Amino acid sequence: QQQVKQSPQSLIVQKGGISIINCAYENTAFDYFPWYQQFPGKGPALLIAIRPDVSEKKEGRFTISFNKSAKQFSLHIMDSQPGDSATYFCAARGFYNQGGKLIFGQGTELSVKP
Amino acid sequence: DGGITQSPKYLFRKEGQNVTLSCEQNLNHDAMYWYRQDPGQGLRLIYYSQIVNDFQKGDIAEGYSVSREKKESFPLTVTSAQKNPTAFYLCASSFGLPRAGNTIYFGEGSWLTVV
Repeated sequence: QQQVKQSPQSLIVQKGGISIINCAYENTAFDYFPWYQQFPGKGPALLIAIRPDVSEKKEGRFTISFNKSAKQFSLHIMDSQPGDSATYFCAARGFYNQGGKLIFGQGTELSVKP
Repeated sequence: DGGITQSPKYLFRKEGQNVTLSCEQNLNHDAMYWYRQDPGQGLRLIYYSQIVNDFQKGDIAEGYSVSREKKESFPLTVTSAQKNPTAFYLCASSFGLPRAGNTIYFGEGSWLTVV
């Protein structure tokens, strides 16, 4: 019930294309779903986040789509650029009695080819 | 600059040694976390602390120890009991309660290698 499953493990996209990364969860107590971007040798940085009362959130070229009934959420990167090449992690956070800690997916290594 | 500072960036440990990774934050965050990152396994929680002088085990606490004597500091000790310590270690912090805007911020990480 604590797992967050992320796919694909790696993704290659041409410049200008759409990158799509999917995540699924089981625990209905999760109330916050962030995506983090990590460049090699660096710590992850928050990219965009969504709460379960919203079905979609867009920030620039990045969009989260959320399907509460299916317990799935996905990250779409429109007009993908070589600078987007990084590892992306989805995550989910439980209620306060779980310490507010994040449960991370396994990560997706995105490579955007020029 | 506000942020999370981890040191050292690179650390080598001999078999049977304990080593301590430092984490300091000046964001006035109540909660601090330690994650371990291995290739293909995402980030796994080692320990977390919501307030000073209190901390809880995460999913992979065996072979690790922490202390939280000051709000700003949350050092992680990798003990000789940790049989496979080679990994990238990430410290993080956030405001304590899980409400809207409670972003978790990460440090730059520390690489630990057993030699």
